[in-house]
Amino acid sequence: GENVEQHPSTLSVQEGDSAVIKCTYSDSASNYFPWYKQELGKGPQLIIDIRSNVGEKKDQRIAVTLNKTAKHFSLHITETQPEDSAVYFCAASSPNTGNQFYFGTGTSLTVIP
Amino acid sequence: DAGVTQSPTHLIKTRGQQVTLRCSPKSGHDTVSWYQQALGQGPQFIFQYYEEEERQRGNFPDRFSGHQFPNYSSELNVNALLLGDSALYLCASSLQGITYEQYFGPGTRLTVT
Repeated sequence: GENVEQHPSTLSVQEGDSAVIKCTYSDSASNYFPWYKQELGKGPQLIIDIRSNVGEKKDQRIAVTLNKTAKHFSLHITETQPEDSAVYFCAASSPNTGNQFYFGTGTSLTVIP
Repeated sequence: DAGVTQSPTHLIKTRGQQVTLRCSPKSGHDTVSWYQQALGQGPQFIFQYYEEEERQRGNFPDRFSGHQFPNYSSELNVNALLLGDSALYLCASSLQGITYEQYFGPGTRLTVT
């Protein structure tokens, strides 16, 4: 099945700085890559996603880039705010495995005021 | 617009017991997926229900079973509980054909002692 690796596992940034989280995947047929934000005691919240026919997608301070050749995708958060502090998960979905989601192990982001 | 709801919030069971967790999908959604999230890990796919049938299954033993009702709500049942079943159980809903966009509930925290 698909294998998704996520780095770093923890990330601390100063408020206003940018944060970048990277993921790699193994199944070249994967075609959907969502990012989720999980706050303490809550379920994961979809924040942005990208499909394999697009190289980049942006939504206000959040952007995702996809490199299909290298099989990696990244989440970029600009102008970070304390409320961005949470655990972020990447995931990949492939038709080879019935489009089920395979998640990374998460990145704990702390934005220091 | 009601989001995904799950019950109960927390549950404590003893090894060998059985447990039932419940999920109501987001309004308008007809597909429910269940995930197990161990502490410090990303969610792992258990199975997905659509039209009251199990459509996909992850790498989980037969002790894990489920059901979907005509109103699209779903139950997850786990028999012969093991200590290793202690985790956050998440339900995600989506629209069949648009199963990419999955929205998660807050989860049920199961502790097995």
